[in-house]
Amino acid sequence: GNSVTQMEGPVTLSEEAFLTINCTYTATGYPSLFWYVQYPGEGLQLLLKATKADDKGSNKGFEATYRKETTSFHLEKGSVQVSDSAVYFCALSDNQFYFGTGTSLTVIP
Amino acid sequence: KAGVTQTPRYLIKTRGQQVTLSCSPISGHRSVSWYQQTPGQGLQFLFEYFSETQRNKGNFPGRFSGRQFSNSRSEMNVSTLELGDSALYLCASSQGGAKNIQYFGAGTRLSVL
Repeated sequence: GNSVTQMEGPVTLSEEAFLTINCTYTATGYPSLFWYVQYPGEGLQLLLKATKADDKGSNKGFEATYRKETTSFHLEKGSVQVSDSAVYFCALSDNQFYFGTGTSLTVIP
Repeated sequence: KAGVTQTPRYLIKTRGQQVTLSCSPISGHRSVSWYQQTPGQGLQFLFEYFSETQRNKGNFPGRFSGRQFSNSRSEMNVSTLELGDSALYLCASSQGGAKNIQYFGAGTRLSVL
């Protein structure tokens, strides 16, 4: 079946540090891959997506590349800000969405 | 364009009661999906409705049910509430179906005492 595994949190970084949140997936078909972000008290917002192998999704300085050979979709950002503090969810869609358990990120000044 | 609206934002119920949550999707979206979010389990898919028909269902007991109206608004009902039903319930809408980009509401926080 389909599933998503993402690195456990919480993650704490200093402002301007490099961020990587690992995500791997298992899928029977050719899913689309997504990163969503959830700020406190809010629902999930789409951060970026990739629909096929080798696609790179990017938004607000965040990037992730759809790697079919390693079944991965790791999220990266070169320089995090305090405002990036949130919970990040990796997800895949086949006939429905499957989410990872989320990784909490705290960025300290 | 207005986003996905969920009401109420907070609910407190006692065991054995039932509850109905409401979701108004983005205008033009015909698919509405429901998720349960808990600290231990993350987001778990409950079901998806498209044009008033349930198209997909997650692995939840029959106490969890839903429906969708002709204007695409959706309701979710939980009967005979249990303590373990305490969670954030999120609704998401999309244009083409559950595999397309999901746009989420802010959720309804349900506490069962």
